[in-house]
Amino acid sequence: NAGVMQNPRHLVRRRGQEARLRCSPMKGHSHVYWYRQLPEEGLKFMVYLQKENIIDESGMPKERFSAEFPKEGPSILRIQQVVRGDSAAYFCASSPGQGGANEKLFFGSGTQLSVL
Amino acid sequence: GENVEQHPSTLSVQEGDSAVIKCTYSDSASNYFPWYKQELGKRPQLIIDIRSNVGEKKDQRIAVTLNKTAKHFSLHITETQPEDSAVYFCAASKRDTGRRALTFGSGTRLQVQP
Repeated sequence: NAGVMQNPRHLVRRRGQEARLRCSPMKGHSHVYWYRQLPEEGLKFMVYLQKENIIDESGMPKERFSAEFPKEGPSILRIQQVVRGDSAAYFCASSPGQGGANEKLFFGSGTQLSVL
Repeated sequence: GENVEQHPSTLSVQEGDSAVIKCTYSDSASNYFPWYKQELGKRPQLIIDIRSNVGEKKDQRIAVTLNKTAKHFSLHITETQPEDSAVYFCAASKRDTGRRALTFGSGTRLQVQP
């Protein structure tokens, strides 16, 4: 089991460009969560998705940010027109989503986004 | 929404001593409380978790206690070792509901001095 896979590991963008972060959940997991972590801070929830559905996007800025988890392929977190304040580590986590003990979240290694 | 407070923000102990990290939560409906360990530049890793129908859970040198009435839970690490040095995060959520996402505390940087 390869675990939660995120790529790229590091992403450098200039202000105004677009950033696309990808996350492949663990095998058998159908629930994906995106979190943002600033240096020396905790993990801030952004969005929770199931296949083809956004379940909870209460933590995601209304503008410039979007997320999807298509039927086939990885989940994508997209940031348009990036600004310096978007620089952070973005972590993806997945769970089987079947309740009880299967609700544990497992994290990927994160994507470090740097905006110049 | 849920709010999780975590203390202390930094903790330094001597190797072999115990370490205790405390968290409080605001939403009485929260029923799942995991703890994650994050080493520098690495992913958060689940080390132990507890559900609200249990008051205490142990796994070797690590234990977690939960007080539902007071809405607080704690992580206890006994016989600390240098490799326990990391940032530890508590979290809370309402499992089995649509609001499954974890709300994290701000983290505790644990330094174990050899």
